[in-house]
Amino acid sequence: EDQVTQSPEALRLQEGESSSLNCSYTVSGLRGLFWYRQDPGKGPEFLFTLYSAGEEKEKERLKATLTKKESFLHITAPKPEDSATYLCAVQAYGGATNKLIFGTGTLLAVQP
Amino acid sequence: ETGVTQTPRHLVMGMTNKKSLKCEQHLGHNAMYWYKQSAKKPLELMFVYSLEERVENNSVPSRFSPECPNSSHLFLHLHTLQPEDSALYLCASSQDLGTRKSYEQYFGPGTRLTVT
Repeated sequence: EDQVTQSPEALRLQEGESSSLNCSYTVSGLRGLFWYRQDPGKGPEFLFTLYSAGEEKEKERLKATLTKKESFLHITAPKPEDSATYLCAVQAYGGATNKLIFGTGTLLAVQP
Repeated sequence: ETGVTQTPRHLVMGMTNKKSLKCEQHLGHNAMYWYKQSAKKPLELMFVYSLEERVENNSVPSRFSPECPNSSHLFLHLHTLQPEDSALYLCASSQDLGTRKSYEQYFGPGTRLTVT
């Protein structure tokens, strides 16, 4: 069964303290791995898509990497406005639909 | 309007009521989705439409009834809901369901539903 596990569930950082969020996945064949950011009371906001092991993408203080078993979202020198829940999702080959399987997310709090 | 919009943003309904959620996308996409988000649970896919045709119904109870009149609009009709149906209902859209490429989905702000 396709599955996504995110860790930690919650992370508290001081402003400027870099860290990484983990997304482990089990999927029959990976079509794509997605990272989203979700603020309270809002819908998820798309951040990155990764397609194959070794791929990396960056946006401001965020960098996403992908291996055959997991993805990391690295946050460099975070600011309080980076506080949010970060969601990871995978899409597998074999299905007829663009089905995304989500993890439960990591709640990030960055304190000034 | 830009992106994906949803109305209403908040809805309180009794178990015997009938209501509808509306979603509109302004991105030129041709696939649309309904998701349910409950506390401490992953987003759950409910329905998928591609080119206005339903392509997946993820074992959702019949008290939820989707409608997709065109590629820009999606509705979720609700009737005789249960308190456990209280959740954030999210609409999303994406490009066509390609067999090779994986397209990201863009989400609306959601409707916070409370069933009393």
